[in-house]
Amino acid sequence: NAGVTQTPKFRVLKTGQSMTLLCAQDMNHEYMYWYRQDPGMGLRLIHYSVGEGTTAKGEVPDGYNVSRLKKQNFLLGLESAAPSQTSVYFCASSYVGAGTDTQYFGPGTRLTVL
Amino acid sequence: AQSVTQLDSQVPVFEEAPVELRCNYSSSVSVYLFWYVQYPNQGLQLLLKYLSGSTLVKGINGFEAEFNKSQTSFHLGKPSVHISDTAEYFCAVMNSGGYQKVTFGIGTKLQVIP
Repeated sequence: NAGVTQTPKFRVLKTGQSMTLLCAQDMNHEYMYWYRQDPGMGLRLIHYSVGEGTTAKGEVPDGYNVSRLKKQNFLLGLESAAPSQTSVYFCASSYVGAGTDTQYFGPGTRLTVL
Repeated sequence: AQSVTQLDSQVPVFEEAPVELRCNYSSSVSVYLFWYVQYPNQGLQLLLKYLSGSTLVKGINGFEAEFNKSQTSFHLGKPSVHISDTAEYFCAVMNSGGYQKVTFGIGTKLQVIP
């Protein structure tokens, strides 16, 4: 049981390049989330999904897109990276029903945009 | 709307001394309250949570927190810290009904000094 995994762990992009971050969970969780963590700002929700095939905007969605084609995977895309997107990105997942309150986090992806 | 305020960005404390990390929240509806811990270069993991019932909540690694509804606080404490407690601690609040939107504080870095 690997829990929540994220790939890649590190990435450096040039302004304007695109990339996709992959999050995978093996706990059969319905809900999945993408956060970004910046110094002095805590975690901010980018997008989330309440089930396969559904996505919704969070607090800071601009410049990002997401897809949830399979229940276990949640992809975060940057179409045209900007230096302001330099951050650490965390994926999380949670149950529906009993235990929905707790989110389980991946190890993070550190992204630098030059 | 809900918000979380962590009053201290950094807390240095000597090993074996007690520590308290402060958290205040605001919300127009009933909430659940959490403390998550992030060790260096890792994702967040749940330390403890308050959903209902006893206002004193015990978590992992000897930490505990007390929910004070009148003061809208959820302070985290430990009677004797260890070097391994050096980490960043995040307070979080979640709506108790409907979609589980979670709002995180900006974090408190606990530095345990030998």
